[in-house]
Amino acid sequence: AQRVTQPEKLLSVFKGAPVELKCNYSYSGSPELFWYVQYSRQRLQLLLRHISRESIKGFTADLNKGETSFHLKKPFAQEEDSAMYYCALRDPYSGAGSYQLTFGKGTKLSVIP
Amino acid sequence: EAQVTQNPRYLITVTGKKLTVTCSQNMNHEYMSWYRQDPGLGLRQIYYSMNVEVTDKGDVPEGYKVSRKEKRNFPLILESPSPNQTSLYFCASSWNGLNEKLFFGSGTQLSVL
Repeated sequence: AQRVTQPEKLLSVFKGAPVELKCNYSYSGSPELFWYVQYSRQRLQLLLRHISRESIKGFTADLNKGETSFHLKKPFAQEEDSAMYYCALRDPYSGAGSYQLTFGKGTKLSVIP
Repeated sequence: EAQVTQNPRYLITVTGKKLTVTCSQNMNHEYMSWYRQDPGLGLRQIYYSMNVEVTDKGDVPEGYKVSRKEKRNFPLILESPSPNQTSLYFCASSWNGLNEKLFFGSGTQLSVL
């Protein structure tokens, strides 16, 4: 079964410092990976997905199949980036299981002014 | 406004008293899903539905039931709630459950005494 690991429960960085939120997965095929974010008092929302290769709010994430990682990065942290971040994986080749999205346990990012 | 609506936002109940948490979406999405969020455990999928009358178990289905009689509604039923079901519950929907983004409801905080 696929598994998503976010090794850090809490990550604190100073404003303007680079941010890297780690995500590792265990899956033998070609997964689809996502980052979701939950700001205080807001709904969980999609931040970005690897298939789009997009940059949202200055964040990027590259899928590294060799290291089975999908780390989320931003060169200069802003206070408004403080939130809970979840990495998620979907197996597109598992038939009915393709509809399941497996989330990591989340990392709380705190940006210190 | 396109959204996923859950009710109630907060619910306190006692062990064994049947309850239903409602979820409705107005985006004509085929896919709907329920998650529970617990500290240190992240988001875990309870049940999901690919379309009307089509449902399947997620990772933690024990103690829960769902139904999908109409496309827009996907209620979560706890026939006999227990304290270990105290959690924050999220409903989500998407067009077809495959690689496009999930839209989340605002959550239901359930406490079972």
